[in-house]
Amino acid sequence: EIVMTQSPATLSVSPGERATLSCRASQSVSSNLAWYQQKPGQAPRLLIYGASTRATGIPARFSGSGSGTEFTLTISSLQSEDFAVYYCQQYNNWQTFGQGTKVEIK
Amino acid sequence: QVQLLQSGAEVKKPGASVKVSCKASGYTFSIYGFTWVRQAPGQGLERMGWIIAYNANTNYEQKFQGRVTMTTDTSTSTAYMELRSLISDDTAVYYCATFIYGSGSYLTLWGQGTLVTVSS
Repeated sequence: EIVMTQSPATLSVSPGERATLSCRASQSVSSNLAWYQQKPGQAPRLLIYGASTRATGIPARFSGSGSGTEFTLTISSLQSEDFAVYYCQQYNNWQTFGQGTKVEIK
Repeated sequence: QVQLLQSGAEVKKPGASVKVSCKASGYTFSIYGFTWVRQAPGQGLERMGWIIAYNANTNYEQKFQGRVTMTTDTSTSTAYMELRSLISDDTAVYYCATFIYGSGSYLTLWGQGTLVTVSS
């Protein structure tokens, strides 16, 4: 089983600032990595797939990078609606989720 | 409109079974796979397994082997997840989510979630 580890667990950021979230895989997943956003009481929403491709309707301030075992989700200028929990998921070998990073208002 | 509509909340006693449905609309059901994910209160996302709609192939997480069954009904574009021998730790919101089989199993569309509460 591929284990996905996200860091940090909680990220405190001021509106308008940049947020950088990390996700590490226990073995290479190539570029088969997705990011999801989940707000309280809502289902997750796909943000990024293929490590760097934005899903339909996702604003350009969200960007993904990385390959192999190290991945990053960057939110260039945090808006109020971006405060949420973010999960990475590998789909190179079945599917595995990371434990999530909560982005909270500083 | 493309959407997944799940069945309503359930309350079950320990030892019982629950069957959650996930009805798809607005797209070609058979090309998709359905992953079931659960989320215990205040916790992260936990994959339970998947089913491929066109051939009914399944893959279950080892943790749920023998206790879960995933099925689909192509005539009604509905996916089902049944979990048996429920315990209190099975209390969670259960989500269905779809991926296009053969194009990478990232989850493009999610249902609204079904809360299952296990309590005596």
